[in-house]
Amino acid sequence: GAVVSQHPSWVICKSGTSVKIECRSLDFQATTMFWYRQFPKQSLMLMATSNEGSKATYEQGVEKDKFLINHASLTLSTLTVTSAHPEDSSFYICSANRDRGSHEQFFGPGTRLTVL
Amino acid sequence: AQKITQTQPGMFVQEKEAVTLDCTYDTSDQSYGLFWYKQPSSGEMIFLIYQGSYDEQNATEGRYSLNFQKARKSANLVISASQLGDSAMYFCAMREGLGRGGKLIFGQGTELSVKP
Repeated sequence: GAVVSQHPSWVICKSGTSVKIECRSLDFQATTMFWYRQFPKQSLMLMATSNEGSKATYEQGVEKDKFLINHASLTLSTLTVTSAHPEDSSFYICSANRDRGSHEQFFGPGTRLTVL
Repeated sequence: AQKITQTQPGMFVQEKEAVTLDCTYDTSDQSYGLFWYKQPSSGEMIFLIYQGSYDEQNATEGRYSLNFQKARKSANLVISASQLGDSAMYFCAMREGLGRGGKLIFGQGTELSVKP
């Protein structure tokens, strides 16, 4: 099946620094990717839809300037958490769909961010 | 707006028994897709099953079946012959439209524990 990768799988950073998370579709092109956030024992909350070659679409309540999304190619989307604070500590997961075949939305393995 | 509701925060089942995880949804669209994902403690999202709103037959995938009752707006997951490895979080999700490009909205999740 299709594979979506994320890097890094975990990251620890100091408060005030910025962290970039990469999401790659390894064997298919993805014009659209999605970024989710998940707190422990909670559901996945959609943060934004990443559109190749255009601006991301953010969900209500998500700060655009805080969570910068860039979708520069058909296989790569990046999420940058700017000026991270402890409350940004969470599990971030990306996903992508194939244009044909299975209806499955393919998820990356996730990135665990801890802000000290 | 679309909404997914899972009312069972936790469920227990005896190994080799069947279990039903509940999911109800709300949408004004006639065309939509329903999904179930499994999330073990590792955090990866494992696709289990998909049901399109116009599919007349209930979807089945191995030990998983989706009990789709359109009039009641329910999409319950049935796991037959539970195994210890089935212990995980289970999420119901919906995508509006029948295309493959849309975002998924998730329910709160159900934590399933399989007892030996």
